[in-house]
Amino acid sequence: QQQVKQSPQSLIVQKGGISIINCAYENTAFDYFPWYQQFPGKGPALLIAIRPDVSEKKEGRFTISFNKSAKQFSLHIMDSQPGDSATYFCAASIGGTYKYIFGTGTRLKVLA
Amino acid sequence: GAVVSQHPSWVICKSGTSVKIECRSLDFQATTMFWYRQFPKQSLMLMATSNEGSKATYEQGVEKDKFLINHASLTLSTLTVTSAHPEDSSFYICSALTGEGEKLFFGSGTQLSVL
Repeated sequence: QQQVKQSPQSLIVQKGGISIINCAYENTAFDYFPWYQQFPGKGPALLIAIRPDVSEKKEGRFTISFNKSAKQFSLHIMDSQPGDSATYFCAASIGGTYKYIFGTGTRLKVLA
Repeated sequence: GAVVSQHPSWVICKSGTSVKIECRSLDFQATTMFWYRQFPKQSLMLMATSNEGSKATYEQGVEKDKFLINHASLTLSTLTVTSAHPEDSSFYICSALTGEGEKLFFGSGTQLSVL
């Protein structure tokens, strides 16, 4: 119930392509869904986040799509660049607790 | 975004010694900070929640006597790994909630290697 399942585990995309990472959850009490980007040896950095009351949120090249009925959400990286090569984590939390449950991570490599 | 500073970035110690890791919120006050542990190529596992002025709340399976957490001020939380052993070698990351809540910012992490 507390798990957040993330796929794929790794992803290779050509420069300029679209990177898509998916997450699924079971606990309907989750109401905040952030995505983090992590480079090797560094802490995660917040990319973008969404709440269940909207189906999509876009910030620059990053878009979150949210499907409440399916309990799924995904990150789309448009015009992927080699500098986007990193590990991406989805997360979920229950409002007020701020205890994030993280997905297992997706290692993205964008080929030049 | 808000800045969370973590120090040291890496530390090597002998088995049996204690290591202290500091986590500071530089431009905001953080009543709540979190400590995570991350093994290579794995996800972040929450170890404990640190609240200013009160005892930390540990996740199931985390030894509170081995991982001492102190949150003495609104900008500083420390994690002390006591009597460290090689199995404690890991990447430790702290995070802090901004005053507006819910936005969680992470430190840059500390790589601990216990020989």
